[in-house]
Amino acid sequence: AQSVTQLDSQVPVFEEAPVELRCNYSSSVSVYLFWYVQYPNQGLQLLLKYLSGSTLVESINGFEAEFNKSQTSFHLRKPSVHISDTAEYFCAVSLGAQTGANNLFFGTGTRLTVIP
Amino acid sequence: DVKVTQSSRYLVKRTGEKVFLECVQDMDHENMFWYRQDPGLGLRLIYFSYDVKMKEKGDIPEGYSVSREKKERFSLILESASTNQTSMYLCASSLWGENYGYTFGSGTRLTVV
Repeated sequence: AQSVTQLDSQVPVFEEAPVELRCNYSSSVSVYLFWYVQYPNQGLQLLLKYLSGSTLVESINGFEAEFNKSQTSFHLRKPSVHISDTAEYFCAVSLGAQTGANNLFFGTGTRLTVIP
Repeated sequence: DVKVTQSSRYLVKRTGEKVFLECVQDMDHENMFWYRQDPGLGLRLIYFSYDVKMKEKGDIPEGYSVSREKKERFSLILESASTNQTSMYLCASSLWGENYGYTFGSGTRLTVV
């Protein structure tokens, strides 16, 4: 069975400070990995994803995540956060080789609050 | 641009009412999903569908039903709304056989009073 763990439910950080949101998964097969962001009172938007190739993936707004197969992790980082980064962040895992309908599994989310 | 549209952003209903939440996607996706989101509990899958007229129960189907008469539309039905169904409801869609993630709608915040 696969599961996704986001250890930190809330992360407060000062503006312009670095941040890391942690995500670990358990799976016995190869996976695809995703980070979604949810701004207040909105749906989830895809932030970045790892499917194959380079283990470091980047988003257009300065976030990056690194797939670490040995650690089964996909932590999200940003070197300097802005107020506008305040949101909830969800890590998700899909089973890379499996087809079918319900194939994406979500963590419980981390609420990032950027303090001025 | 790929789009999933949920008909209402905010909805207030009375206990016992029958409630319909509508979701439409314009991407020709086979798969559609309904989640509810509550603080501290993350996303919980209610129902999903992989084809017209097909439906599968998710993790918390009790108190809900769904309808998929057309490929682009997936409706969530609360047969008799209760206060514990007050929540944010999120619809999503994806392509069959693709593990490239889901596309989400903007959500419907339902309050049952």
